[in-house]
Amino acid sequence: GQQVMQIPQYQHVQEGEDFTTYCNSSTTLSNIQWYKQRPGGHPVFLIQLVKSGEVKKQKRLTFQFGEAKKNSSLHITATQTTDVGTYFCAGPDNFNKFYFGSGTKLNVKP
Amino acid sequence: KAGVTQTPRYLIKTRGQQVTLSCSPISGHRSVSWYQQTPGQGLQFLFEYFSETQRNKGNFPGRFSGRQFSNSRSEMNVSTLELGDSALYLCASSGTSGGVLTYNEQFFGPGTRLTVL
Repeated sequence: GQQVMQIPQYQHVQEGEDFTTYCNSSTTLSNIQWYKQRPGGHPVFLIQLVKSGEVKKQKRLTFQFGEAKKNSSLHITATQTTDVGTYFCAGPDNFNKFYFGSGTKLNVKP
Repeated sequence: KAGVTQTPRYLIKTRGQQVTLSCSPISGHRSVSWYQQTPGQGLQFLFEYFSETQRNKGNFPGRFSGRQFSNSRSEMNVSTLELGDSALYLCASSGTSGGVLTYNEQFFGPGTRLTVL
């Protein structure tokens, strides 16, 4: 069946270091969305990418959607303790079934 | 606009019992999706309702069911609870554009934390 995997599963960084999480889908996604879930919280929408090869930036965060619309990445430059949380990619396939990635848990040491 | 609300926030049940969780989407949103979140399995899609019809279903046993009312509020029911059903149950709503579900941003509620003893 359809799978959306993310690597790494966990990442511990020192504050100020960069962080990247990669998202890979077994099938093509109509769009890719990224969510952040703080500890004890619920997922909160960060951004959506729709076009093949699209790159979007939000301050220190850079999001990329692959050419084949099956993979994506989120890069955080100079992490801060406020970046702590689990980052999920997600998106609908061509049958409008929504899939969430397995998530990458980021811990930032001050 | 008020956000997605879920009730109850916390629930403790024993094995074999059944439970009903409720979700009220953002006003105007007609799509409601349910997810189960556990530390080991991440976010697992349960089902999605749009205009009172189940549009998609995840790979969960028939003990998990749901419905959506004409006001878009949704309920999910789990019968014959098992220990493994202990999880955070999240509901999310999505909007439409011109009456068509856009599958854009999903707005999540705070979740219902279910503990099965």
